[in-house]
Amino acid sequence: EAGVVQSPRYKIIEKKQPVAFWCNPISGHNTLYWYLQNLGQGPELLIRYENEEAVDDSQLPKDRFSAERLKGVDSTLKIQPAELGDSAVYLCASSSQTSGSSYNEQFFGPGTRLTVL
Amino acid sequence: AQKITQTQPGMFVQEKEAVTLDCTYDTSDPSYGLFWYKQPSSGEMIFLIYQGSYDQQNATEGRYSLNFQKARKSANLVISASQLGDSAMYFCAMREGPGAGSYQLTFGKGTKLSVIP
Repeated sequence: EAGVVQSPRYKIIEKKQPVAFWCNPISGHNTLYWYLQNLGQGPELLIRYENEEAVDDSQLPKDRFSAERLKGVDSTLKIQPAELGDSAVYLCASSSQTSGSSYNEQFFGPGTRLTVL
Repeated sequence: AQKITQTQPGMFVQEKEAVTLDCTYDTSDPSYGLFWYKQPSSGEMIFLIYQGSYDQQNATEGRYSLNFQKARKSANLVISASQLGDSAMYFCAMREGPGAGSYQLTFGKGTKLSVIP
């Protein structure tokens, strides 16, 4: 079974430029998460989707960040314009209530490391 | 107050020895779950083990076990017979609320484990 796929793995941009990250979750997983991981910290949730609906975006800085999940499968996270402080790793994760697991663990992708110059 | 505290920024362990990684948590919710994830240098978060607040026994998964002390609000990860491939960052995380109906994971800052040959 394929895991969570993210692209690109690395991205270097100049400040004020736009950037987009793509995530393909595990097949059949209806819940998708985007996390931000700063250097030396644990991941912090940005947004959670149930199918195509964003059900928790309270931590998403909406002035510059946006996200979408078309047809409840792939998702894109966008930053426009990027700032120096956005340099971090952006992780995507997915989970499924019907996976058979009683604790609904989240499966993570390898992340996109963003560097803003 | 921090919800998840990992007090060991870095740990060293000799190959084949056991090591304990500390995690304390803070919640007033009687129903919660505790997770441990491993993050190697490749960046992907790998789920290791789960402990539910109502579980009567400590969780075990192969070489991983969780020393759950509810009264002390601690959930330490024990890795037995350390291997070189265990060198990575380890994150403790908590999910508050009952079962699969709650989703948000709160992560600690992590512990970097280095296994010495």
